[in-house]
Amino acid sequence: SQELEQSPQSLIVQEGKNLTINCTSSKTLYGLYWYKQKYGEGLIFLMMLQKGGEEKSHEKITAKLDEKKQQSSLHITASQPSHAGIYLCGAPSQGGSEKLVFGKGTKLTVNP
Amino acid sequence: DAGVIQSPRHEVTEMGQEVTLRCKPISGHNSLFWYRQTMMRGLELLIYFNNNVPIDDSGMPEDRFSAKMPNASFSTLKIQPSEPRDSAVYFCATTPRDKSSGANVLTFGAGSRLTVL
Repeated sequence: SQELEQSPQSLIVQEGKNLTINCTSSKTLYGLYWYKQKYGEGLIFLMMLQKGGEEKSHEKITAKLDEKKQQSSLHITASQPSHAGIYLCGAPSQGGSEKLVFGKGTKLTVNP
Repeated sequence: DAGVIQSPRHEVTEMGQEVTLRCKPISGHNSLFWYRQTMMRGLELLIYFNNNVPIDDSGMPEDRFSAKMPNASFSTLKIQPSEPRDSAVYFCATTPRDKSSGANVLTFGAGSRLTVL
């Protein structure tokens, strides 16, 4: 079955620093979704990547999809305390499936 | 739109008791998913419905767990009897009717945090 591994598991950075979170799939990726979760809350959708080589940005967050490497990266530029939380990647369990499997998440702490 | 509404937000119960978690999807969303989140296992899909019909329940841990969706605006996840290892945050998530783009963006509720003593 599809498995997603995220790295690092946790990350502590100083405000203003750039950072990257990776998500690697055990199988072919049929799209990749990034979510953010704050403690005690549900997951908030950030971005969706559907094609190899695709790159999307929202404010200071950029995500890329490398289909050949079965990998996606999430990059935050000039991090702020508001970026703190848990970032999770999700992907369809197989092509055309509605079932999304998720990585275990990367916990980000941004120190002011 | 109020989003996906889950209740209760917190539940503390004793082992052996019945637990019922509730979810009200966003109007017009025809697919509904129940997930469970723990530190050890992360976010796991338990079951999902399409147009109120259960499509895949392969993630339901055992017979103690059951889920229903009697209509398009309500779903329940029941655990009977509950055990300490069921302690987790249970999320309900829904997706809209139009999937022509191939996208499947889930909208999550705030979750129900269950503690079984």
